Amino acid sequence: AQRVTQPEKLLSVFKGAPVELKCNYSYSGSPELFWYVQYSRQRLQLLLRHISRESIKGFTADLNKGETSFHLKKPFAQEEDSAMYYCALSGTGFQKLVFGTGTRLLVSP
Amino acid sequence: DGGITQSPKYLFRKEGQNVTLSCEQNLNHDAMYWYRQDPGQGLRLIYYSQIVNDFQKGDIAEGYSVSREKKESFPLTVTSAQKNPTAFYLCATKMGTSGGYEQYFGPGTRLTVT
Repeated sequence: AQRVTQPEKLLSVFKGAPVELKCNYSYSGSPELFWYVQYSRQRLQLLLRHISRESIKGFTADLNKGETSFHLKKPFAQEEDSAMYYCALSGTGFQKLVFGTGTRLLVSP
Repeated sequence: DGGITQSPKYLFRKEGQNVTLSCEQNLNHDAMYWYRQDPGQGLRLIYYSQIVNDFQKGDIAEGYSVSREKKESFPLTVTSAQKNPTAFYLCATKMGTSGGYEQYFGPGTRLTVT
């Protein structure tokens, strides 16, 4: 069965500190991984996906198939990064997205 | 953002009543989804539809029903059989049917049943 694990419910850092939000997945096929973000009073939206290998708002994520991980990283956190972050998994021929339970990032001044 | 609308934003119902949540899209997307978002549990899939007049159960379909009579619309009915209906409900759409496409989300409906 497909599964996404985000072990941290809350991650609290100071502005300018590095951030790593952890995501591990379980899937026997070829995975497609996403990070979605939900800012306060805004819709859930795509932050980045592994197939595009792009950096959005300074965030990057590398798919590590050996460790079945897709951790989200940013070298210097900003206050506006405070939000709820969800890791999600899909796959070839797999119509659904499976979401993790989410990590709330709080960046303090 | 205006491409997916959910109404109403807040909905209050008495226990034992069925209630229908609306989801409309003008993005011409093929696939539509209903999720339930609860604190600490992330998003859980209720139902999804790839094409008109066809839909599949998600992980927590019990107590819910859907229809897809038009490409633009995917209403969700929360029936009295749903044991814990109070939640935040999100509708999403996706352009294609393969897994790699991005899902776009509506603003959500917060349902409170007392």
